[in-house]
Order: sequence, then structure tokens, then C-alpha cells
Amino acid sequence: DAKTTQPNSMESNEEEPVHLPCNHSTISGTDYIHWYRQLPSQGPEYVIHGLTSNVNNRMASLAIAEDRKSSTLILHRATLRDAAVYYCILRDANMNYGGSQGNLIFGKGTKLSVKP
Amino acid sequence: DTEVTQTPKHLVMGMTNKKSLKCEQHMGHRAMYWYKQKAKKPPELMFVYSYEKLSINESVPSRFSPECPNSSLLNLHLHALQPEDSALYLCASSQDGTRRHNEQFFGPGTRLTVL
Repeated sequence: DAKTTQPNSMESNEEEPVHLPCNHSTISGTDYIHWYRQLPSQGPEYVIHGLTSNVNNRMASLAIAEDRKSSTLILHRATLRDAAVYYCILRDANMNYGGSQGNLIFGKGTKLSVKP
Repeated sequence: DTEVTQTPKHLVMGMTNKKSLKCEQHMGHRAMYWYKQKAKKPPELMFVYSYEKLSINESVPSRFSPECPNSSLLNLHLHALQPEDSALYLCASSQDGTRRHNEQFFGPGTRLTVL
């Protein structure tokens, strides 16, 4: 799986939008971009994923650069509950681990702090 | 029910003890995973079970022994652990381990301390 680069930490104010960047300059054409987050004292949770087009769901939006070498996770209105470590992960659609390729390879992630 | 449960929440054991971690899901998922997470580090994959068969072992020492008795349950048997094995052990499941885009659902983890 190709590697990703994220800032170690970011700060946001409550009720303001947050843009979390991720660089993946070696991304291949079959790599999907996934985001997970891990709240304090909890297991990671899925946020969103995409391939080429921007994606929206109830939690966030994912903006993918035209060359796909970077992407941005957008939280439209940060709340205190959004304080977490956010992981950007690339998943190659074509890789086959002999029948089970669901494993995730986590990078260091971005620790998001939200100030009231 | 979209929950993965793990027991116990906390476990303290000596290096000569034998203990087991348990994980359960009732979402009908056929892939289950064990991850290890050291403090302030990202989770690292240990084992993957697909359709109750072990499909990935990421070179984990034999003192960790996974078991998948049925599609809803996943165990991790611990024996002769070392203090450096102290970590948060996370269980996850996904609908079908043969597809790489299935969302993984994680449990809250078991905080293990080895004395």
C-alpha cells in the first residue's frame, strides 16, 4: 500500500469548519482513499472513502485533488466530540491477500483538538 | 446491532499467566481482525480471520494464539507474555474479507498490562 503524509496535529474552534489534509504522492490508479478516526479511549471508526470524485456523507466530506496526489477531509462544523486522531489510509483495490485483504495499515494520523 | 464488544475492558497479568481476550459481533460479518496499539502509536494488524479461517498472521510471536470458534466470536489466547506486550488490543470485523473497501467496525479494545 502506498504511504500517506499527514500533519501531526491541528487545532480548530468549535462550530467552525476543519480541513484535514493528506498527501499521497505515490498513489496508484487503483488506490482508494479511506479515512478513519479514533476518539480518546475508543477503537477507530470509519469516516469516509473515495476514489476520484468528491464524496459526502453524514459525518464529513472528502475532497480529492484532480491528480489524486492529495486529499482533504472536511468536517463542516467541528464539535468537541470531533476531537480525535484522524487517519488517512490508501487501499489498493487490486491487491489480494489470498482471500482476505481487509486489513488496514495505519499511519501516524493527525491529532485534532477542538477548542470551545 | 452495529457493535463489536470486547471483554475484559482491562486485564493485568503476570508473565507466567494464561489469559484470553474475547471479541463478539452479531452483524453477520465474515472477517474479523486483531490489532495491537501501543500508547500514542497507530494500531498494527496482528491477525485476520476470513470465514473462520486464519488468513493473515503478521509474524506475531507464538505467545499470542488466535482462535475463531464461529463467525461471531474471536478469541486471543495469551501465554508467557512479556512486559513489552502491554498495549490496547483491538478487535474489528467487516462484512466480507475478500473486498478491500468494506468498512471495518472496531471494538473499544482491551487494555492489557503485563507485569
